[in-house]
Amino acid sequence: EVQLVESGGGLVQPGRSLRLSCAASGFTFDDYAMHWVRQAPGKGLEWVSGISWNSGSIGYADSVKGRFTISRDNAKNSLYLQMNSLRAEDTALYYCAKAPGSSPLFQFDYWGQGTLVTVSS
Amino acid sequence: EIVLTQSPATLSLSPGERATLSCGASQSVSSSYLAWYQQKPGLAPRLLIYDASSRATGIPDRFSGSGSGTDFTLTISRLEPEDFAVYYCQQYGSSPGGTFGGGTKVEIK
Repeated sequence: EVQLVESGGGLVQPGRSLRLSCAASGFTFDDYAMHWVRQAPGKGLEWVSGISWNSGSIGYADSVKGRFTISRDNAKNSLYLQMNSLRAEDTALYYCAKAPGSSPLFQFDYWGQGTLVTVSS
Repeated sequence: EIVLTQSPATLSLSPGERATLSCGASQSVSSSYLAWYQQKPGLAPRLLIYDASSRATGIPDRFSGSGSGTDFTLTISRLEPEDFAVYYCQQYGSSPGGTFGGGTKVEIK
């Protein structure tokens, strides 16, 4: 059974940093691209960042480019999102999502339950 | 960037009725790379349809997707009580992650 478990969320002041993690199990992690998708309270879905199976292809939404860094450790079956210079508008539930292929150019076939990030002073 | 517009924003129907949800794209979606997701309150989204018309694993056949180019449709043939939720379309294939539509809420009339 595919499982994606996010962690690392919390309350953080504007301008500070936070690192999210996603622990994957139930599938061969290094065969698949992975993504982060966020959802602000009461709002829709917004793709944040994606990474190919071997980290060779990485993409970011314009809203986070230059501030967020996605990475993965295939030996640890883990996905990460380093978030710097956080803003109030980054407040959201952050989901880890798996792609059905090795490229980040696909839909998301499995999602975690999310970790909440609140940016506030 | 391809912008997706979903309509209507809210659909009020009764169990057993047919639901038709629309997703319009600002430019043609390559190779019909369009997906539909269902999200219930407090839960993560669930993939229903990919490549415009292929059902994901375990999705009942009352859910169907159609369309190409800039116009796509999700149809729920007969609404079950568990189908009342928010539905999102997503285009992918042109850039990592793609873009999502704003969502359609299917509520009980």
